[in-house]
Amino acid sequence: EAGVVQSPRYKIIEKKQPVAFWCNPISGHNTLYWYRQNLGQGPELLIRYENEEAVDDSQLPKDRFSAERLKGVDSTLKIQPAELGDSAVYLCASRQDSGNTIYFGEGSWLTVV
Amino acid sequence: GQQLNQSPQSMFIQEGEDVSMNCTSSSIFNTWLWYKQDPGEGPVLLIALYKAGELTSNGRLTAQFGITRKDSFLNISASIPSDVGIYFCAGQVNFGNEKLTFGTGTRLTIIP
Repeated sequence: EAGVVQSPRYKIIEKKQPVAFWCNPISGHNTLYWYRQNLGQGPELLIRYENEEAVDDSQLPKDRFSAERLKGVDSTLKIQPAELGDSAVYLCASRQDSGNTIYFGEGSWLTVV
Repeated sequence: GQQLNQSPQSMFIQEGEDVSMNCTSSSIFNTWLWYKQDPGEGPVLLIALYKAGELTSNGRLTAQFGITRKDSFLNISASIPSDVGIYFCAGQVNFGNEKLTFGTGTRLTIIP
């Protein structure tokens, strides 16, 4: 069974440019998370989806960050415009309704220069 | 955002040694989780704890849910080279959908 798939794996952009990350959760997993992990720290939740509904986006910086999960499967996370402080790893994760375990993808590594 | 305090921040040990690390919080959690993250990868769940005082093992790994619900401990016995990585604790207020609050991580290095 395929795990959580993310793309791109690595992205280097100049500040003020837009960037988008894509996530395909494990098949059948209704809950999808986007986490951000700064260097030397643990991941922090940005947004959580139940199917296509964003049920917790309290920590998403809405002035420049947006996310969508239109059909309740794949999700995209967008940053526009990017700032230097956005350099981090953006992790997508998913969980099955009946399961305990949250499965993480390999992450999308963003460097803003 | 809030991050749990993990100690030590890093460890340098020889192969075969035992390892102990802990995680503390200023608030109560009802679920404690321990993850391992290898370079360039996402975190992978090692052990989940659901009850205060619970002691759970997974091979050479043993984790405990503190009685106060504000701390947890992870021990690794007889370390091997593949144990190298960063270990994160994570707390969850309610089992299931609630977000995970992660610790700051403990980096384990094995000296040849």
